[in-house]
Amino acid sequence: EAQVTQNPRYLITVTGKKLTVTCSQNMNHEYMSWYRQDPGLGLRQIYYSMNVEVTDKGDVPEGYKVSRKEKRNFPLILESPSPNQTSLYFCASSFRQGLVGELFFGEGSRLTVL
Amino acid sequence: DQQVKQNSPSLSVQEGRISILNCDYTNSMFDYFLWYKKYPAEGPTFLISISSIKDKNEDGRFTVFLNKSAKHLSLHIVPSQPGDSAVYFCAAPYGQNFVFGPGTRLSVLP
Repeated sequence: EAQVTQNPRYLITVTGKKLTVTCSQNMNHEYMSWYRQDPGLGLRQIYYSMNVEVTDKGDVPEGYKVSRKEKRNFPLILESPSPNQTSLYFCASSFRQGLVGELFFGEGSRLTVL
Repeated sequence: DQQVKQNSPSLSVQEGRISILNCDYTNSMFDYFLWYKKYPAEGPTFLISISSIKDKNEDGRFTVFLNKSAKHLSLHIVPSQPGDSAVYFCAAPYGQNFVFGPGTRLSVLP
């Protein structure tokens, strides 16, 4: 089954404790991206990757890091989480950017930073 | 500054009636629009799209209308069903990003 898998789905952590949210897709997609969803703001892009070893900042990259060592994986790293990073996070992938209608999302990871 | 706006946070409609969800945009460079649907505890899924060279696109019960001069699009669901209850996001690809609206929560009442 074609899918984007995120882990963990739910996480409560404390300020400053490093964490990683994993994302894996099995569709051989080149493009991957991370979004955060906050009330009244829709989905905002954090980082994206056009291919292996190619990553770039989205609209709200502060406090986040990513890596793309393999085509299927695109982890999101919070080196020192803060309460303003409490949010619902979505990983998404697409065969290639520009082919609209083909952005596939994971089920989401709800993060709470105390 | 939100480039894609959905001014109705929520909408309630009776089953069998028409649901109309609205979306406005400010960037005249947008030339393609998508609607995504999101159920609780799931990721958004693609629903329907429209290119700026068209003013209407239809897929079963779902029709999207685009008014470029007004920078406005709308999603019509006819007839509405309880299973349509979800949050609907309007989005536009721009550069290496998709710009999403804040979403409208649709509740279809039996």
